[in-house]
Amino acid sequence: GENVEQHPSTLSVQEGDSAVIKCTYSDSASNYFPWYKQELGKGPQLIIDIRSNVGEKKDQRIAVTLNKTAKHFSLHITETQPEDSAVYFCAARSDNYGQNFVFGPGTRLSVLP
Amino acid sequence: DAGITQSPRHKVTETGTPVTLRCHQTENHRYMYWYRQDPGHGLRLIHYSYGVKDTDKGEVSDGYSVSRSKTEDFLLTLESATSSQTSVYFCAIGDHRGPGTEAFFGQGTRLTVV
Repeated sequence: GENVEQHPSTLSVQEGDSAVIKCTYSDSASNYFPWYKQELGKGPQLIIDIRSNVGEKKDQRIAVTLNKTAKHFSLHITETQPEDSAVYFCAARSDNYGQNFVFGPGTRLSVLP
Repeated sequence: DAGITQSPRHKVTETGTPVTLRCHQTENHRYMYWYRQDPGHGLRLIHYSYGVKDTDKGEVSDGYSVSRSKTEDFLLTLESATSSQTSVYFCAIGDHRGPGTEAFFGQGTRLTVV
């Protein structure tokens, strides 16, 4: 089945610096890649997503890039702020598995003031 | 939050007792999911439903059953709770009428089996 790996597991950056989280997936049929942010005590919330026919997508300080050949995608956060501190999850969805999402294990991002 | 309510939000139960968690949605979404979240594992799919009375197993379905008798409700049952089922459980919903549509998550239920 699909397998999603995510690195690093923890990441600390200074406020104002950039943060990059990387994920790889195994199923070449995966066609949708969302990123979720989870704050303490809350459910995950979508922050950005990308489809397999797009190489890059940007939304203000957040961007996602996708390399289908290498089967990896990355989340980029620029000008980090303390409120960006959270756990981030990447996920992949393939038509081979219905509409199910397979999630990476998560990255705990800490933005230090 | 996208019209998803999980109940209860917290529960402590004893080993061997049955437990039912409820997910209620007001979005009329076709797909509903149950995930469990454990440190180091991210979110793992337990069961999902793609319509009323249509359910299927996920990655970690052993020890769990589900039912969906109405579009808005998806129940997760632990027939005989074990300590390994101590976890945070999340319900999610999705429409997925086209390619690449997101899933919305509830606030979670923290279950402790003692």
